[in-house]
Amino acid sequence: DIQMTQSPASLSASVGETVTITCRASENIYSYLLWYQQKQGKSPQLLVYNAKTLAEGVPSRFSGSGSGTQFSLKINSLQPEDFGSYYCQHHYGTPYTFGGGTKLEIK
Amino acid sequence: QVQLKESGPGLVAPSQSLSITCTVSGFSLTGYGVNWVRQPPGKGLEWLGMIWGDGSTDYNSALKSRLSISKDNSKSQVFLKMNSLQTDDTARYYCARERPAYYAMDYWGQGTSVTVSS
Repeated sequence: DIQMTQSPASLSASVGETVTITCRASENIYSYLLWYQQKQGKSPQLLVYNAKTLAEGVPSRFSGSGSGTQFSLKINSLQPEDFGSYYCQHHYGTPYTFGGGTKLEIK
Repeated sequence: QVQLKESGPGLVAPSQSLSITCTVSGFSLTGYGVNWVRQPPGKGLEWLGMIWGDGSTDYNSALKSRLSISKDNSKSQVFLKMNSLQTDDTARYYCARERPAYYAMDYWGQGTSVTVSS
Protein backbone atom coordinates (compact mmCIF):
# COMPACT_ATOMS: atom_id res chain seq x y z
CA ASP A 1 0.00 0.00 0.00
CA ILE A 2 1.10 3.59 -0.61
CA GLN A 3 2.22 5.39 2.53
CA MET A 4 1.63 9.13 2.95
CA THR A 5 3.87 11.17 5.25
CA GLN A 6 2.90 14.70 6.25
CA SER A 7 5.00 17.36 7.91
CA PRO A 8 4.98 19.14 10.19
CA ALA A 9 2.63 17.32 12.55
CA SER A 10 1.77 20.64 14.15
CA LEU A 11 2.27 24.25 13.24
CA SER A 12 1.68 27.50 15.07
CA ALA A 13 1.10 30.67 13.06
CA SER A 14 -0.48 34.08 13.28
CA VAL A 15 -3.31 35.59 11.28
CA GLY A 16 -1.89 37.08 8.11
CA GLU A 17 1.08 34.73 7.90
CA THR A 18 1.78 32.29 5.06
CA VAL A 19 2.27 28.62 5.86
CA THR A 20 3.20 25.52 3.88
CA ILE A 21 2.37 21.90 4.69
CA THR A 22 4.13 19.09 2.88
CA CYS A 23 3.10 15.56 2.00
CA ARG A 24 5.29 12.78 0.65
CA ALA A 25 4.11 9.58 -1.01
CA SER A 26 6.04 6.33 -0.74
CA GLU A 27 5.82 5.86 -4.50
CA ASN A 28 4.95 7.88 -7.59
CA ILE A 29 1.30 8.93 -7.46
CA TYR A 30 1.58 11.42 -10.34
CA SER A 31 -0.91 14.19 -9.44
CA TYR A 32 -3.44 12.00 -7.63
CA LEU A 33 -3.28 13.89 -4.37
CA LEU A 34 -6.07 15.42 -2.31
CA TRP A 35 -6.09 17.85 0.60
CA TYR A 36 -8.80 18.06 3.25
CA GLN A 37 -9.41 20.56 6.04
CA GLN A 38 -11.01 19.50 9.30
CA LYS A 39 -12.13 22.00 11.91
CA GLN A 40 -12.53 20.97 15.52
CA GLY A 41 -15.61 18.83 16.02
CA LYS A 42 -16.51 18.88 12.32
CA SER A 43 -16.27 16.50 9.38
CA PRO A 44 -13.40 16.88 6.91
CA GLN A 45 -13.97 19.07 3.85
CA LEU A 46 -12.33 18.69 0.48
CA LEU A 47 -9.94 21.54 -0.35
CA VAL A 48 -7.84 20.40 -3.30
CA TYR A 49 -7.98 17.55 -5.81
CA ASN A 50 -5.52 16.40 -8.45
CA ALA A 51 -2.78 18.06 -6.40
CA LYS A 52 -3.53 21.62 -7.44
CA THR A 53 -7.21 22.11 -8.36
CA LEU A 54 -9.26 23.93 -5.74
CA ALA A 55 -12.62 22.39 -4.86
CA GLU A 56 -15.73 24.52 -5.31
CA GLY A 57 -15.91 27.42 -2.90
CA VAL A 58 -12.34 27.16 -1.63
CA PRO A 59 -10.69 30.60 -1.31
CA SER A 60 -7.81 31.42 -3.64
CA ARG A 61 -5.43 31.93 -0.71
CA PHE A 62 -5.14 28.13 -0.72
CA SER A 63 -2.91 26.55 -3.33
CA GLY A 64 -1.66 23.04 -3.95
CA SER A 65 1.41 21.98 -5.85
CA GLY A 66 3.64 19.02 -6.55
CA SER A 67 3.65 15.76 -8.46
CA GLY A 68 5.25 12.37 -8.23
CA THR A 69 6.07 11.89 -4.55
CA GLN A 70 6.36 15.43 -3.16
CA PHE A 71 3.41 17.74 -2.60
CA SER A 72 2.59 20.87 -0.68
CA LEU A 73 -0.37 22.92 0.44
CA LYS A 74 0.25 26.65 0.86
CA ILE A 75 -2.05 29.02 2.66
CA ASN A 76 -1.42 32.71 2.06
CA SER A 77 -2.50 35.36 4.51
CA LEU A 78 -3.97 33.03 7.15
CA GLN A 79 -7.48 33.84 8.28
CA PRO A 80 -9.03 32.88 11.64
CA GLU A 81 -11.26 30.30 9.93
CA ASP A 82 -8.20 28.47 8.49
CA PHE A 83 -7.10 27.06 11.81
CA GLY A 84 -7.71 23.36 12.22
CA SER A 85 -6.23 20.14 10.87
CA TYR A 86 -5.18 19.34 7.33
CA TYR A 87 -4.84 15.90 5.76
CA CYS A 88 -3.44 14.73 2.47
CA GLN A 89 -4.78 11.59 0.80
CA HIS A 90 -3.69 9.85 -2.37
CA HIS A 91 -6.33 8.84 -4.90
CA TYR A 92 -4.08 6.80 -7.16
CA GLY A 93 -6.31 3.77 -6.91
CA THR A 94 -7.45 1.86 -3.84
CA PRO A 95 -6.60 1.25 -1.08
CA TYR A 96 -6.59 4.96 -0.32
CA THR A 97 -4.41 6.23 2.50
CA PHE A 98 -4.28 9.50 4.41
CA GLY A 99 -1.29 11.34 5.76
CA GLY A 100 -1.01 11.63 9.51
CA GLY A 101 -2.35 15.18 9.53
CA THR A 102 -1.08 18.66 10.37
CA LYS A 103 -2.65 20.62 13.18
CA LEU A 104 -2.53 24.35 12.46
CA GLU A 105 -2.93 26.42 15.60
CA ILE A 106 -3.11 30.11 16.34
CA LYS A 107 0.08 31.64 17.74
CA GLN B 1 -29.15 18.82 -1.47
CA VAL B 2 -26.60 16.08 -0.89
CA GLN B 3 -26.66 14.63 2.62
CA LEU B 4 -25.21 11.59 4.31
CA LYS B 5 -26.10 10.49 7.82
CA GLU B 6 -24.56 7.69 9.83
CA SER B 7 -26.38 5.74 12.50
CA GLY B 8 -24.71 3.27 14.81
CA PRO B 9 -24.97 1.57 18.20
CA GLY B 10 -22.75 3.94 20.19
CA LEU B 11 -21.32 1.24 22.43
CA VAL B 12 -20.02 -2.18 21.43
CA ALA B 13 -18.57 -4.86 23.70
CA PRO B 14 -15.09 -6.21 22.92
CA SER B 15 -15.06 -9.13 20.46
CA GLN B 16 -18.53 -8.22 19.23
CA SER B 17 -19.41 -6.91 15.79
CA LEU B 18 -20.29 -3.40 14.67
CA SER B 19 -22.97 -2.42 12.19
CA ILE B 20 -23.38 1.14 10.95
CA THR B 21 -25.84 2.46 8.37
CA CYS B 22 -25.23 5.45 6.13
CA THR B 23 -28.46 6.91 4.74
CA VAL B 24 -27.98 9.25 1.81
CA SER B 25 -30.16 11.76 0.02
CA GLY B 26 -29.75 14.10 -2.92
CA PHE B 27 -27.98 11.55 -5.11
CA SER B 28 -28.31 7.97 -6.28
CA LEU B 29 -26.10 5.17 -4.99
CA THR B 30 -26.03 3.68 -8.47
CA GLY B 31 -24.10 6.67 -9.74
CA TYR B 32 -21.76 7.34 -6.85
CA GLY B 33 -19.45 5.39 -4.61
CA VAL B 34 -19.48 5.74 -0.82
CA ASN B 35 -16.41 5.53 1.38
CA TRP B 36 -16.07 4.70 5.05
CA VAL B 37 -13.44 6.57 7.10
CA ARG B 38 -12.81 6.47 10.84
CA GLN B 39 -11.02 8.74 13.29
CA PRO B 40 -9.99 7.64 16.78
CA PRO B 41 -10.31 10.35 19.44
CA GLY B 42 -7.60 12.97 18.97
CA LYS B 43 -6.01 11.10 16.05
CA GLY B 44 -5.98 11.15 12.26
CA LEU B 45 -8.18 9.77 9.52
CA GLU B 46 -8.11 6.14 8.42
CA TRP B 47 -9.75 4.93 5.22
CA LEU B 48 -11.68 1.72 5.80
CA GLY B 49 -13.12 0.90 2.41
CA MET B 50 -15.71 1.80 -0.17
CA ILE B 51 -18.52 0.52 -2.30
CA TRP B 52 -18.74 1.72 -5.88
CA GLY B 53 -21.90 2.53 -7.81
CA ASP B 54 -21.83 -0.88 -9.47
CA GLY B 55 -21.69 -2.61 -6.08
CA SER B 56 -18.04 -3.66 -6.18
CA THR B 57 -16.01 -3.06 -3.04
CA ASP B 58 -12.46 -2.21 -1.97
CA TYR B 59 -11.03 -2.46 1.53
CA ASN B 60 -8.18 -1.31 3.75
CA SER B 61 -5.59 -4.06 3.46
CA ALA B 62 -5.01 -4.34 7.21
CA LEU B 63 -8.72 -4.56 8.06
CA LYS B 64 -10.00 -6.48 5.06
CA SER B 65 -10.61 -9.71 6.95
CA ARG B 66 -12.88 -7.95 9.46
CA LEU B 67 -14.83 -5.62 7.16
CA SER B 68 -17.85 -5.92 4.95
CA ILE B 69 -19.53 -3.09 3.03
CA SER B 70 -22.85 -3.50 1.26
CA LYS B 71 -25.76 -1.33 0.15
CA ASP B 72 -29.44 -1.18 -0.70
CA ASN B 73 -29.86 1.18 -3.62
CA SER B 74 -33.64 1.28 -3.28
CA LYS B 75 -33.38 2.48 0.30
CA SER B 76 -30.39 4.77 -0.34
CA GLN B 77 -28.47 3.03 2.40
CA VAL B 78 -24.90 1.81 2.71
CA PHE B 79 -23.87 -0.61 5.44
CA LEU B 80 -20.58 -1.12 7.23
CA LYS B 81 -20.00 -4.25 9.26
CA MET B 82 -16.84 -4.88 11.24
CA ASN B 83 -16.17 -8.04 13.23
CA SER B 84 -14.11 -8.81 16.35
CA LEU B 85 -13.97 -5.27 17.70
CA GLN B 86 -11.26 -4.26 20.14
CA THR B 87 -10.71 -1.10 22.17
CA ASP B 88 -8.54 0.45 19.46
CA ASP B 89 -11.56 0.37 17.14
CA THR B 90 -13.05 3.14 19.27
CA ALA B 91 -13.50 6.01 16.84
CA ARG B 92 -15.85 8.30 15.01
CA TYR B 93 -16.99 6.56 11.84
CA TYR B 94 -17.80 8.64 8.77
CA CYS B 95 -19.35 7.85 5.42
CA ALA B 96 -18.40 10.07 2.49
CA ARG B 97 -19.52 10.29 -1.11
CA GLU B 98 -16.95 9.62 -3.83
CA ARG B 99 -17.07 12.16 -6.64
CA PRO B 100 -16.61 10.14 -9.83
CA ALA B 101 -15.00 12.93 -11.83
CA TYR B 102 -11.95 13.18 -9.61
CA TYR B 103 -12.16 10.33 -7.09
CA ALA B 104 -12.39 12.52 -4.04
CA MET B 105 -14.70 12.52 -1.03
CA ASP B 106 -16.77 15.60 -1.70
CA TYR B 107 -19.57 15.21 0.86
CA TRP B 108 -19.23 13.73 4.33
CA GLY B 109 -21.69 12.70 6.98
CA GLN B 110 -21.41 14.08 10.50
CA GLY B 111 -20.06 10.75 11.72
CA THR B 112 -21.19 8.41 14.44
CA SER B 113 -19.19 7.77 17.58
CA VAL B 114 -18.45 4.16 18.50
CA THR B 115 -16.92 3.15 21.81
CA VAL B 116 -15.65 -0.38 22.35
CA SER B 117 -15.89 -1.18 26.02
CA SER B 118 -17.20 -3.80 28.38
